Amino acid sequence: EVQLVESGGGLVKPGGSLRLSCAASGFTLRTYSMNWVRQAPGKGLEWVSSNNPSRSGRTYIYHADSLKGRFTTSRDNAKNSLYLQMNSLRAEDTAIYYCARSDGHIFDFWGQGTLVTVSS
Amino acid sequence: QLVLTQSPSASASLGASVKLTCTLNSGHSSYAIAWHQQQPEKGPRYLMKLNIDGSHSKGDGIPDRFSGSSSGAERYLIISSLQSEDEADYYCQTWGTGIQVFGGGTKLTVL
Repeated sequence: EVQLVESGGGLVKPGGSLRLSCAASGFTLRTYSMNWVRQAPGKGLEWVSSNNPSRSGRTYIYHADSLKGRFTTSRDNAKNSLYLQMNSLRAEDTAIYYCARSDGHIFDFWGQGTLVTVSS
Repeated sequence: QLVLTQSPSASASLGASVKLTCTLNSGHSSYAIAWHQQQPEKGPRYLMKLNIDGSHSKGDGIPDRFSGSSSGAERYLIISSLQSEDEADYYCQTWGTGIQVFGGGTKLTVL
């Protein structure tokens, strides 16, 4: 059974940093693209980043334009984990952050999310 | 710029059918999309991939009551025999090179 479990959320002050983790199980992480999606309180889904392995061994990483320079995504296939490093956090980054697997661009499995609150 | 447009809300009666719409913007009318359901206080759940010709492939365990169709730039999610647990937010999703896009979501109320 595919499972994605996010962790690392919490309360952080503006300007602070946080690292989210997504523990994957039930499938071989290194063969799948993985993504972060966030949802601000009462709002819709917003794509954050994608981490796409290729057959050549290179990993292609993409981030939403509005987040470039502050957020970076990485993975550790040996640990079956995906990460999101968030720096220079702002109040508008307050959201539930979801990890999602994609199969051919389709987000076919989602985690339950971890809440990040940016407040002084 | 790739944009998906959804109506903010829809409603239908218990046992009835409803058709939700996701519209691709100009220049992207041939794109496939995916539909996702988000029940209150839960993470999203993948429902199906929907192609321009209306063919669709559903996620694991998605009931037959859920189906999809397409017409031009519009992609539809059809839910028949509505049940109370279908009351949820529904999002469409598509993609381009290095980018993923979500529609604004439709909140479905089951009366």
